[in-house]
Amino acid sequence: DAGITQSPRYKITETGRQVTLMCHQTWSHSYMFWYRQDLGHGLRLIYYSAAADITDKGEVPDGYVVSRSKTENFPLTLESATRSQTSVYFCASTAGENGYTFGSGTRLTVV
Amino acid sequence: GENVEQHPSTLSVQEGDSAVIKCTYSDSASNYFPWYKQELGKGPQLIIDIRSNVGEKKDQRIAVTLNKTAKHFSLHITETQPEDSAVYFCAASRRGNNRLAFGKGNQVVVIP
Repeated sequence: DAGITQSPRYKITETGRQVTLMCHQTWSHSYMFWYRQDLGHGLRLIYYSAAADITDKGEVPDGYVVSRSKTENFPLTLESATRSQTSVYFCASTAGENGYTFGSGTRLTVV
Repeated sequence: GENVEQHPSTLSVQEGDSAVIKCTYSDSASNYFPWYKQELGKGPQLIIDIRSNVGEKKDQRIAVTLNKTAKHFSLHITETQPEDSAVYFCAASRRGNNRLAFGKGNQVVVIP
């Protein structure tokens, strides 16, 4: 199916564990983004990518790592999860100077 | 960088009435202004957008207006229905920059 999919939908992990959130899009969009959404903060950009093998930091990159070896995939890794990283994470993509298409989100709880 | 602010943070309207959400932006070079609707448990969805060469755009019950001089743009929802209840985000970006600057969102509640 065409679209942008995130997995898992829900994840509970323990403090200190590594966890990877997956994002896959089928349009071959050049640009992909990771946001976190917390009450009172709206959408905050973690990392973005302009193309395969090109990534850059957003507003809140600390504690996160991204990679983009293929155009369609943009995984987000929390190297050592902390409780402050409990959030809803959204992936988005766009072909260029147009609106983004967002995934359905991953709700991550760090205990 | 671009700073986008939304007002009011929460808006309650009676079903059938109109709702207006206003956003202000700081970068006069911004030229693209989308609006997103986020329903509970879902990702934001693009509902309408406008570029700086246009002053107004309509799509059925929703419209967006842009005032470049005052650097603000507004979302208008007419004949509101319960399914319009959601969080609405505005955003802005400048030509050549694919990073959108988002506002913090408005909660719209339509009272049946």
